Amino acid sequence: DSGVTQTPKHLITATGQRVTLRCSPRSGDLSVYWYQQSLDQGLQFLIQYYNGEERAKGNILERFSAQQFPDLHSELNLSSLELGDSALYFCASSQGGFGNQPQHFGDGTRLSIL
Amino acid sequence: DQQVKQNSPSLSVQEGRISILNCDYTNSMFDYFLWYKKYPAEGPTFLISISSIKDKNEDGRFTVFLNKSAKHLSLHIVPSQPGDSAVYFCAASEAEQTGANNLFFGTGTRLTVIP
Repeated sequence: DSGVTQTPKHLITATGQRVTLRCSPRSGDLSVYWYQQSLDQGLQFLIQYYNGEERAKGNILERFSAQQFPDLHSELNLSSLELGDSALYFCASSQGGFGNQPQHFGDGTRLSIL
Repeated sequence: DQQVKQNSPSLSVQEGRISILNCDYTNSMFDYFLWYKKYPAEGPTFLISISSIKDKNEDGRFTVFLNKSAKHLSLHIVPSQPGDSAVYFCAASEAEQTGANNLFFGTGTRLTVIP
């Protein structure tokens, strides 16, 4: 158990809809990262938050947004969903916002767009 | 453009023998490297990491070797055990040079340890 909690585990919805994925980091970790794993792709970095502030952005679509709340949990919002958004979405956390430190991953949310 | 590459999609090894998983990278700014293990329906689990100032890091049965000139790293598992059967991901970041510690992942190698 990594200590990172993601909900829900599975989400099935239709094109054009909007969903919210939730992540609670490990106790004491200030950074939260979101990654997407599509079929036959490695994990792709989407966005990082550190102590409530956006820290780094990867190839995140404009239809996607995220935030980190004062209690440090984070939400990833995906809107105007397309079939290609079907993927595993992982959240990870680390103690600080930079430097050499490993990230610890949750078990992911599997999003299926019908 | 895949900046971290794992060219072997799968590897089979006998129990008790050494498993060697390989990883190549193209970005010379990478200075922190990690290996993760992933079981089905679970998230990646951190195994071991190495900073670019070192060429070897050891933790129990796991050793990571870094060859900066070749932009190559490898994970050695000795002795291999059936419970090691999983998908192994190599990852890298520019944590030291730029402060950005978002990870770039390879596509994974599926290790099967045969009892």
